[in-house]
Amino acid sequence: GESVGLHLPTLSVQEGDNSIINCAYSNSASDYFIWYKQESGKGPQFIIDIRSNMDKRQGQRVTVLLNKTVKHLSLQIAATQPGDSAVYFCAEKRRGRGSTLGRLYFGRGTQLTVWP
Amino acid sequence: NAGVMQNPRHLVRRRGQEARLRCSPMKGHSHVYWYRQLPEEGLKFMVYLQKENIIDESGMPKERFSAEFPKEGPSILRIQQVVRGDSAAYFCASSQNWGRGEINEKLFFGSGTQLSVL
Repeated sequence: GESVGLHLPTLSVQEGDNSIINCAYSNSASDYFIWYKQESGKGPQFIIDIRSNMDKRQGQRVTVLLNKTVKHLSLQIAATQPGDSAVYFCAEKRRGRGSTLGRLYFGRGTQLTVWP
Repeated sequence: NAGVMQNPRHLVRRRGQEARLRCSPMKGHSHVYWYRQLPEEGLKFMVYLQKENIIDESGMPKERFSAEFPKEGPSILRIQQVVRGDSAAYFCASSQNWGRGEINEKLFFGSGTQLSVL
């Protein structure tokens, strides 16, 4: 299953399928990106990050792809499990004068639902 | 190794009262950030603090809101004379300072305080 970011904030997939969550960022000066997972009633949990000098980074069952040309970020989750059900946020850190580490700009989020 | 601790988890206030939200960063972390989240929205930056210093408060409303991170004790986000529009989830995050002016950009978040204003 695949989401189209801000215009489709929900994604439903079958357990075992791969999931792709998309995110469009706005600032070409952004140099660092993070994906967070937020379960209901909990704080955001770090999943994976990537710097702007990379195109791809892999973790355990997750891969982040960065396309700077079109300012697009995606999170791929392999063999999606019911425990992956949550809201997924992409966040960007913008480089530039006055920018401060820790000032992340969050997208709206995508609700991933995994059906058994 | 405890994570970022926030309390209370839920806070109910009547309009005009004060709300105090507390945050203890992860052990070894010296940078604290506060974010606010409205329902079905992403987190919005409010303020960034180090011990006894406010580094960036550009995301914080000019009135009624204040934050501190004293030398001893947790960071406090204080909202005076709360209004219904202040109802939201408030998240604290912390990061580690590696020294040499380099700061680990990875933020670790607490479980948040859900503020409800009646």
